[in-house]
Amino acid sequence: AQTVTQSQPEMSVQEAETVTLSCTYDTSESDYYLFWYKQPPSRQMILVIRQEAYKQQNATENRFSVNFQKAAKSFSLKISDSQLGDAAMYFCAYRSAKTGANNLFFGTGTRLTVIP
Amino acid sequence: NAGVTQTPKFQVLKTGQSMTLQCAQDMNHEYMSWYRQDPGMGLRLIHYSVGAGITDQGEVPNGYNVSRSTTEDFPLRLLSAAPSQTSVYFCASRLRDSRHIQYFGAGTRLSVL
Repeated sequence: AQTVTQSQPEMSVQEAETVTLSCTYDTSESDYYLFWYKQPPSRQMILVIRQEAYKQQNATENRFSVNFQKAAKSFSLKISDSQLGDAAMYFCAYRSAKTGANNLFFGTGTRLTVIP
Repeated sequence: NAGVTQTPKFQVLKTGQSMTLQCAQDMNHEYMSWYRQDPGMGLRLIHYSVGAGITDQGEVPNGYNVSRSTTEDFPLRLLSAAPSQTSVYFCASRLRDSRHIQYFGAGTRLSVL
């Protein structure tokens, strides 16, 4: 099974500064999807950003961007101009692009604290 | 647009009791799934369904049953609750094509005493 590793259990950032959350994964497949989900205290899982492995261009969504290094199997999330509302658990996740692939494999999460 | 709705939000059970966690989606998604989230771990797949009448096991299926009689609903049944099933449970849905985004419900926090 694929594994997803988030080596930073906790991170903190000053408001308005930039922070990068790390994620690595292990797979033998060439086509897959990578995701970052945000889980605030409300528990709701919110999709932040998605990357398709066959696309070389890094995905961006407003203040959120990724650094996707396919050869290194690395998928980091950069949050620019951090806001208090960004404080949450962040989960990296992987899903195969194979037909019939159903499991979304999650990392253990990084708790982000935003300091005013 | 309600999205994915889970009920109840909280539940306390005694060991050996049974209960059903409800999940409904109004987006006409073929694919639905149940995950559990334990402290210090990511979400793990319990069961999933690719359409009405079709279900299959995920990574941690033991102790749980599912059925899918309609496209909208995907209930998760605990037949005889155990303390090891204390967790937060998430239901999710998406269109069949794996390109599509998976939407999650708000979760059910279950405690088994």
